[in-house]
Amino acid sequence: QVQLQASGPGLVKPSETLSLTCDVTGSSISSADYWGWIRQSAGKGLEWIGNIYRSGNTYYTPSLRSRVSMSVDTTKNQLSLRLSSVTAADTATYYCSRSYYNASGLPYRDAFDFGGQGTMVTVSA
Amino acid sequence: QSVLTQPPSVSGAPGQRVTISCTGTSSNIGAGYDVQWYQQIPETAPKLLIYANTNRPSGVLDRFSGSKSDISASLSITGLQAEDEADYYCLSYDSSLGAYVFGTGTKVSVL
Repeated sequence: QVQLQASGPGLVKPSETLSLTCDVTGSSISSADYWGWIRQSAGKGLEWIGNIYRSGNTYYTPSLRSRVSMSVDTTKNQLSLRLSSVTAADTATYYCSRSYYNASGLPYRDAFDFGGQGTMVTVSA
Repeated sequence: QSVLTQPPSVSGAPGQRVTISCTGTSSNIGAGYDVQWYQQIPETAPKLLIYANTNRPSGVLDRFSGSKSDISASLSITGLQAEDEADYYCLSYDSSLGAYVFGTGTKVSVL
């Protein structure tokens, strides 16, 4: 069973860069079609941040595109997220995800498999 | 403000059926993009309930079912149980935004 564990600093100052990592266990990070990040502000809904595909292509939500980057480290089996120039509006729980595979092992591209707990980030001076 | 609109809350008595709607536009659901449904119990990660409009992942009970028509999709829960109390979100792709979008979310309460 694939487990995803997001982690990060917990507290980031305004205007600084948020850096998060997601440790993948139970599967090679190279095996999934794509990996991604979703966030959720307290008491609010879910927001897709973006995906990084096996090809290396990245796709980000328009509102964050100028500030976000994602990468994969195959040697560490780890996914990373960087979000620059953060403000209080970036305070949220951040989840990492991967492309969904059904019980037969067949991929379905448009569903996210969260596979673990998120990490809470607060932006405050 | 999400482009996928859900009712803020629905409720029902134990054993009843509830339905949650997800209304989109011609650039997402109406354009033919599939709809997924997630269940989120507070303080936990969302769990995939339905993918590709009507399909249940292994382990998801058949009390949960999905449908899609025109610019809308629906999630139905039959035989409502106390453990179904959670937030539910739809997910689809929007071609105008070039992004995946979640619905506004619906809180299900069991009376």
